[in-house]
Amino acid sequence: GQQVMQIPQYQHVQEGEDFTTYCNSSTTLSNIQWYKQRPGGHPVFLIQLVKSGEVKKQKRLTFQFGEAKKNSSLHITATQTTDVGTYFCAGYSGGGADGLTFGKGTHLIIQP
Amino acid sequence: DAEITQSPRHKITETGRQVTLACHQTWNHNNMFWYRQDLGHGLRLIHYSYGVQDTNKGEVSDGYSVSRSNTEDLPLTLESAASSQTSVYFCASSESGFPQHFGDGTRLSIL
Repeated sequence: GQQVMQIPQYQHVQEGEDFTTYCNSSTTLSNIQWYKQRPGGHPVFLIQLVKSGEVKKQKRLTFQFGEAKKNSSLHITATQTTDVGTYFCAGYSGGGADGLTFGKGTHLIIQP
Repeated sequence: DAEITQSPRHKITETGRQVTLACHQTWNHNNMFWYRQDLGHGLRLIHYSYGVQDTNKGEVSDGYSVSRSNTEDLPLTLESAASSQTSVYFCASSESGFPQHFGDGTRLSIL
């Protein structure tokens, strides 16, 4: 079945440094979704990418979808303490379970 | 505003007991999902439903069951609770291809 790998599992940064998490799918995706989960909270949808090579920005967050629609990345510029949490990618292929497969997430830890 | 609610938020029970976790959504979504979240494993799909009377097994369905008698609710039942089922459980709903909306979660401890 479809697998979605996400790296790194943990990332420690100093406040103000940049952060990137990478997501790779074993199959071509129809779209990819990104979620953020704050400590003690629930996953919250951030963005969905649909087109090959698509790049979207939300303030300091930049999301990219690969040309082959099998990989994606989330980059945060100048991290702030409010960015702390776990970032999940979820690949949609249109199959069973609504075709959505979650990566294991990247835990972002920020040291002030 | 539409929402998805889970109850209880916290529960402690003993091994061997039957436990039911409730999930109720007012989004009118056809698709509903149950996940468990454990450190190092991310979100693992337990069961899901595409609509009334439809249920499907996910990646880690052993020891769990669900039923879908209406659009709004998808209760998750642990038939005979085991310590390995201690976890945080999330319910979610969506329309196909669209983002999932998650509940606040239920923290379940089985002693």
